[in-house]
Amino acid sequence: EPEVTQTPSHQVTQMGQEVILRCVPISNHLYFYWYRQILGQKVEFLVSFYNNEISEKSEIFDDQFSVERPDGSNFTLKIRSTKLEDSAMYFCASGGLAYEQYFGPGTRLTVT
Amino acid sequence: AQSVTQPDIHITVSEGASLELRCNYSYGATPYLFWYVQSPGQGLQLLLKYFSGDTLVQGIKGFEAEFKRSQSSFNLRKPSVHWSDAAEYFCAVGAFQGGSEKLVFGKGTKLTVNP
Repeated sequence: EPEVTQTPSHQVTQMGQEVILRCVPISNHLYFYWYRQILGQKVEFLVSFYNNEISEKSEIFDDQFSVERPDGSNFTLKIRSTKLEDSAMYFCASGGLAYEQYFGPGTRLTVT
Repeated sequence: AQSVTQPDIHITVSEGASLELRCNYSYGATPYLFWYVQSPGQGLQLLLKYFSGDTLVQGIKGFEAEFKRSQSSFNLRKPSVHWSDAAEYFCAVGAFQGGSEKLVFGKGTKLTVNP
């Protein structure tokens, strides 16, 4: 069964550094998403991406964040200058339809 | 604003016992409702979804959920729990009004299964 994959599974970075989290969505899906879950808190929506552009973003998704689909298979989330409060589990999701979202295993980001 | 409440942070049941996980939502329009399960080290796996029609929906792994509009609830049930069901369960509402595509999640319920 096709699945969403994410790399790395765990990323440790220093405050102020740039990180890129990578996702390979399910191959025929058209809708792509990033969510995050700070330890002990809810899973929160960050951004949705369709037709090579952002279709919606939350207030969390400020100028420090960007997304890209650099080729036909990858979908990346970049945090330009990480802060301690960016430490969280980041989930990528994809969907063939806008109302169905299939999640990857997540990348645990630790900012020190 | 949309919100989801899962009142139980942690539930423990014995293997073979029945299970009900509670979920209440707040959303002004017709809700699209989902249950996801997360096993340790795994992603969020879609168990079942409700969009419209029959209010009792069947999902994978023997789970079902019932949508009750009058109670703003979408509780997840399983008649006989297996040890492999131990995981964290998340209820979510699709806040899809106005072209939005985001899911709004509850805080999750952690299920422990005793042998």
